[in-house]
Amino acid sequence: EPEVTQTPSHQVTQMGQEVILRCVPISNHLYFYWYRQILGQKVEFLVSFYNNEISEKSEIFDDQFSVERPDGSNFTLKIRSTKLEDSAMYFCASTLQKASGTYEQYFGPGTRLTVT
Amino acid sequence: DQQVKQNSPSLSVQEGRISILNCDYTNSMFDYFLWYKKYPAEGPTFLISISSIKDKNEDGRFTVFLNKSAKHLSLHIVPSQPGDSAVYFCAASENGGFKTIFGAGTRLFVKA
Repeated sequence: EPEVTQTPSHQVTQMGQEVILRCVPISNHLYFYWYRQILGQKVEFLVSFYNNEISEKSEIFDDQFSVERPDGSNFTLKIRSTKLEDSAMYFCASTLQKASGTYEQYFGPGTRLTVT
Repeated sequence: DQQVKQNSPSLSVQEGRISILNCDYTNSMFDYFLWYKKYPAEGPTFLISISSIKDKNEDGRFTVFLNKSAKHLSLHIVPSQPGDSAVYFCAASENGGFKTIFGAGTRLFVKA
């Protein structure tokens, strides 16, 4: 069964460093998303991406964040200068289509980012 | 931002009985609702969804009920199995949109 994959599973970085989290969505999916879950808190939407551009973003997704689909398979989230509060589990998701208002997002296993 | 609320942090149910997980929302523009299940160290897994034009959707042991006037939905699992033990998230979006808002989750324990 096709699945969303994410690498690395755990990333430790120092405050102020740049990190890139990588995702390989399901191959025929068209919509891509990043979410994060701070330990003990709810899953929070960060950004959605379609047709090579951001379609929607949350207030969390500030200028420190960027997303890219550098080739036909990878979808990346970059955090330019990490802060302690960026420590969280980051989930990538993808969706085949939005047809008749019906869609389901397939999530990857997540990357745990620890900023020290 | 409490647009989607799951007021019960945990629920314990005997195997074979019904599990009912509840969710309330405040944004009347939400028109699509989803339930996800999450095991530790894994991403959320889609379970079932419902559009606002319906009031019930069923898939095997899982049924979602939507009460638009009360801005309330519930997930029924019948019969509950120990493997159902997980955190269940209610989520919602508007215009079948890109931005999905999650509730805080309810941890379900199904006892054998």
